[in-house]
Amino acid sequence: RKEVEQDPGPFNVPEGATVAFNCTYSNSASQSFFWYRQDCRKEPKLLMSVYSSGNEDGRFTAQLNRASQYISLLIRDSKLSDSATYLCAVMPDYKLSFGAGTTVTVRA
Amino acid sequence: SQTIHQWPATLVQPVGSPLSLECTVEGTSNPNLYWYRQAAGRGLQLLFYSVGIGQISSEVPQNLSASRPQDRQFILSSKKLLLSDSGFYLCACRQGKDTQYFGPGTRLTVL
Repeated sequence: RKEVEQDPGPFNVPEGATVAFNCTYSNSASQSFFWYRQDCRKEPKLLMSVYSSGNEDGRFTAQLNRASQYISLLIRDSKLSDSATYLCAVMPDYKLSFGAGTTVTVRA
Repeated sequence: SQTIHQWPATLVQPVGSPLSLECTVEGTSNPNLYWYRQAAGRGLQLLFYSVGIGQISSEVPQNLSASRPQDRQFILSSKKLLLSDSGFYLCACRQGKDTQYFGPGTRLTVL
């Protein structure tokens, strides 16, 4: 079983829609969680850390469910510029483990 | 905050040739540094990490090696490239407790 798994998508949504997707992790001892955004042929960029209580940054909301071992990302009022691949990252020990990414395409 | 530089940005090399990719970091001292590879359509694979000068930990057995000759310099090398070494190589630096930031990457094509 992979340490971190994501639905690869793609999620095709119209502008203004809400899109949400999850990332599951296998190591229950994981303590730190992140969402990164990666544009085509570019490096991943940190979108947000995920805190136990859940957190929001503008149109983006991240949640952590320790019991079911997943984190989620919700994007409200999608913009064309939100089109990207979203990578989740989990730190079970000294290193980050990344999912393969979920591709989101926002259409006009 | 730190800035991560990587070069070259793009590289095309024949099978069997050597490789040297460089990563340098500005704006921080004694950083934890990481080398990742991202193959086409796949996730990030941690190759090496370093907590200080001369200290390298390898995550996967392969024909690549890493060195850290200076505090803010991290080098990825190979004596003989394989086709399977093609990919997007990313250097990352840890800031704070756990957060990692990535450099712009080197896209390597082995022919």
